[in-house]
Amino acid sequence: GAVVSQHPSRVICKSGTSVKIECRSLDFQATTMFWYRQFPKQSLMLMATSNEGSKATYEQGVEKDKFLINHASLTLSTLTVTSAHPEDSSFYICSARPLAGVGTDTQYFGPGTRLTVL
Amino acid sequence: AQTVTQSQPEMSVQEAETVTLSCTYDTSESDYYLFWYKQPPSRQMILVIRQEAYKQQNATENRFSVNFQKAAKSFSLKISDSQLGDAAMYFCAYRSGGGANSKLTFGKGITLSVRP
Repeated sequence: GAVVSQHPSRVICKSGTSVKIECRSLDFQATTMFWYRQFPKQSLMLMATSNEGSKATYEQGVEKDKFLINHASLTLSTLTVTSAHPEDSSFYICSARPLAGVGTDTQYFGPGTRLTVL
Repeated sequence: AQTVTQSQPEMSVQEAETVTLSCTYDTSESDYYLFWYKQPPSRQMILVIRQEAYKQQNATENRFSVNFQKAAKSFSLKISDSQLGDAAMYFCAYRSGGGANSKLTFGKGITLSVRP
C-alpha cells in the first residue's frame, strides 16, 4: 500500500520549453502533496506544498510563476516547469500524505523525475 | 525553526555486522514525529522506520531499530545483520505533529556502504 507514481521518470527538453511532471497516489487519497528538488549527493529541498482544490504554498526563494503546481484531485498533483533553463536541470520528487487510515502522519514518495534542460 | 543534524557524511559496515547511524534534532515542540528514510541508487525514497514522540518505546522494523532519546533529542538508527542491499543514503527527518500541511525537515543524509 501507499504507492506514489511519477511520470515521466526522465525528460530532456530544450531551453525555453515547458515540462509537466505528474504525481499520483495510486492506492490512497492525499489531501496534501509535496514537491522537492534534489541535487546529487544532497538532501531534499522542499519547493512547495499543494492541497487539493487550492493554491500551492511555495517555500521562500521558489518562483511560483516558474514552477506551476496544480492539485486537481485527491490523487493527482502536477508540477510544470515553465520556460525551462539549464539551471532547472535536477531531480524532482513528489510525496503524498494519506487522507485517512494508517500512515496519515507519514509522507510517501514517488520515484522521482530527472529533468535535463539542454 | 526545527533543525535535524546528521554529522557523519559517510559510514561503512561489514556485511552481517551492526551499524548505528546518528541523528540529533532541535525543537521546542512536544508533539512530533521522527523518520528514517532510505534512498538507494535508484533514488526512490523508502520509509525505513517512524517514531511518535509521545511513545517511549523504541520503534522496530525487522533488522532496523531506533534509539529514541527524547530528552537528549537524539534519534539513532541501528541496522543489524547488514546486507548488501542496505547500501544507500539514509536521511533522518522530523515532522511537527499538527496539521495536514506539516512539513518534513530533513538532515543532510549519510551514505552507508556495505563491504562484502
